[in-house]
Amino acid sequence: TQLLEQSPQFLSIQEGENLTVYCNSSSVFSSLQWYRQEPGEGPVLLVTVVTGGEVKKLKRLTFQFGDARKDSSLHITAAQPGDTGLYLCAGANDKIIFGKGTRLHILP
Amino acid sequence: DVKVTQSSRYLVKRTGEKVFLECVQDMDHENMFWYRQDPGLGLRLIYFSYDVKMKEKGDIPEGYSVSREKKERFSLILESASTNQTSMYLCASSFPTENNSPLHFGNGTRLTVT
Repeated sequence: TQLLEQSPQFLSIQEGENLTVYCNSSSVFSSLQWYRQEPGEGPVLLVTVVTGGEVKKLKRLTFQFGDARKDSSLHITAAQPGDTGLYLCAGANDKIIFGKGTRLHILP
Repeated sequence: DVKVTQSSRYLVKRTGEKVFLECVQDMDHENMFWYRQDPGLGLRLIYFSYDVKMKEKGDIPEGYSVSREKKERFSLILESASTNQTSMYLCASSFPTENNSPLHFGNGTRLTVT
């Protein structure tokens, strides 16, 4: 059974701080996707990483796919209240497997 | 922009009722999915479909069925609703998964069974 473990489950930090959330598995994935979900809405794709070691940047968000394509991280620089939400990673092979998410709260 | 529309944002039903949750997508996606989302349990796949009139069980299909008569529409049916089916239900669609295609989600239906 393929599993994706996300850590931490919850994170509450002050505006302006940096943070990293992790997504780990013992399985290899052909790609890994990160989604953000805000209250009352469905998850929205942020990025897809495909190649082992790949790094993608989306403004203050940096996504990295592990060399072995089993893990990924999301780093946020100078967090803003607008970054508040539930961050989900999802590994894709013949189907998509979701982690349970990291609930991030940025305090103004 | 891809639009996935779920027919209801909130539903309240009684135990034993038959419940229909409807989902329509406008991007000609082959794949459609139904998930439920519960605190501490994350997103759990109920059923999915890779083509019209095709359906496959996900991880938690018990108590549910689905219908896909047209490519753009995927319905989730609770034959006899129970209180443990109170949850947020999310529909999603995508192109074939082997193309690393992301999922496009609707805004969810929050179902309460009393």
